[in-house]
Amino acid sequence: GENVEQHPSTLSVQEGDSAVIKCTYSDSASNYFPWYKQELGKRPQLIIDIRSNVGEKKDQRIAVTLNKTAKHFSLHITETQPEDSAVYFCAASNYGQNFVFGPGTRLSVLP
Amino acid sequence: SAVISQKPSRDICQRGTSLTIQCQVDSQVTMMFWYRQQPGQSLTLIATANQGSEATYESGFVIDKFPISRPNLTFSTLTVSNMSPEDSSIYLCSAGGGGGAQYFGPGTRLLVL
Repeated sequence: GENVEQHPSTLSVQEGDSAVIKCTYSDSASNYFPWYKQELGKRPQLIIDIRSNVGEKKDQRIAVTLNKTAKHFSLHITETQPEDSAVYFCAASNYGQNFVFGPGTRLSVLP
Repeated sequence: SAVISQKPSRDICQRGTSLTIQCQVDSQVTMMFWYRQQPGQSLTLIATANQGSEATYESGFVIDKFPISRPNLTFSTLTVSNMSPEDSSIYLCSAGGGGGAQYFGPGTRLLVL
């Protein structure tokens, strides 16, 4: 079955700097890769996603890149703000089914 | 995106009892799922709730322990049966269309004494 690894497990950055979180997956059949942000005590919220026919996607300060050959995808957050502090989860899926989540990255943005 | 609600939001239960968690979506959705999240951990898929047929369970989860219903395209229930302290966790439902994004409910915090 699918296995998703995520690095780093914790990340601290200064406000205004960029943050990068990387994930790898094992199943070449996976074709949908969402990223979720989870604040303490809240539900996971979808922040961006990418499909296997696209190499990069941007939404304001957030971008995701996908390398299908290497089976890895990354989340990039630019101009980080304190409200970006949260746990971020990547996931891999096959047509929106059988979601497998990474272990999560705790991002702290220091003022 | 779909708006998803869950009931109860939290509960404290005695071991050996059962709890049924309800998940309601504000629109018809193709897919509904149930997850478990231990404090500080990632999300683990328990099962896919199939409308009109038996749920599809992931490895390590069985129907006798986690019976699931999905009577229509907007509603599902998860029962945690014969509970033990190890079942203490957050249980989340999610919903989505085929081939795409999932949106999560607020979760049910369960503590088993």
